[in-house]
Amino acid sequence: GQQVMQIPQYQHVQEGEDFTTYCNSSTTLSNIQWYKQRPGGHPVFLIQLVKSGEVKKQKRLTFQFGEAKKNSSLHITATQTTDVGTYFCAVSVGLTFGKGTHLIIQP
Amino acid sequence: DSGVTQTPKHLITATGQRVTLRCSPRSGDLSVYWYQQSLDQGLQFLIQYYNGEERAKGNILERFSAQQFPDLHSELNLSSLELGDSALYFCASSPNTGELFFGEGSRLTVL
Repeated sequence: GQQVMQIPQYQHVQEGEDFTTYCNSSTTLSNIQWYKQRPGGHPVFLIQLVKSGEVKKQKRLTFQFGEAKKNSSLHITATQTTDVGTYFCAVSVGLTFGKGTHLIIQP
Repeated sequence: DSGVTQTPKHLITATGQRVTLRCSPRSGDLSVYWYQQSLDQGLQFLIQYYNGEERAKGNILERFSAQQFPDLHSELNLSSLELGDSALYFCASSPNTGELFFGEGSRLTVL
């Protein structure tokens, strides 16, 4: 199945700083999805990107799909304590998940 | 509340035993997925069913099996349990648009 690399594995930020996680594939993706899992919780769907170069925004979250459809990023502006959790990208049939980026916020 | 129901929430059992995890998908969703999440690990895809038929298989051990019933609920059977099988097992259902809705998971502890 398709493999996807997600970096960084951990990210510590001060509250109010920005945060970005990246998802990279060696093959062209048909689409990519992003999920958030709060500590002790279950993954929750955030968004799906389908088109090359697509950019979508949800309040402080900005999602991008690369022009070659091989990479994607999730950027959070001015992090808040409610943003704490693990962010996963997911690709392909059966939805293979990246290992996730753990966002830790220091007040 | 995602609308996906998993039971039991917690399960403690011994090595060598067999357990069954149950999942009821959201109303109208035909696809059911099973994932395993170990401590500090990502989500390992196990298997997918669509309307009762196996659709895709991931890293599912031969000791594990699953099925989806005519009423669309699904069961994941784990047998000859080993210590390393201790994990959180998630079920997710999906409409035709592809996004996954996860249940709260079943936490399995093998002693």
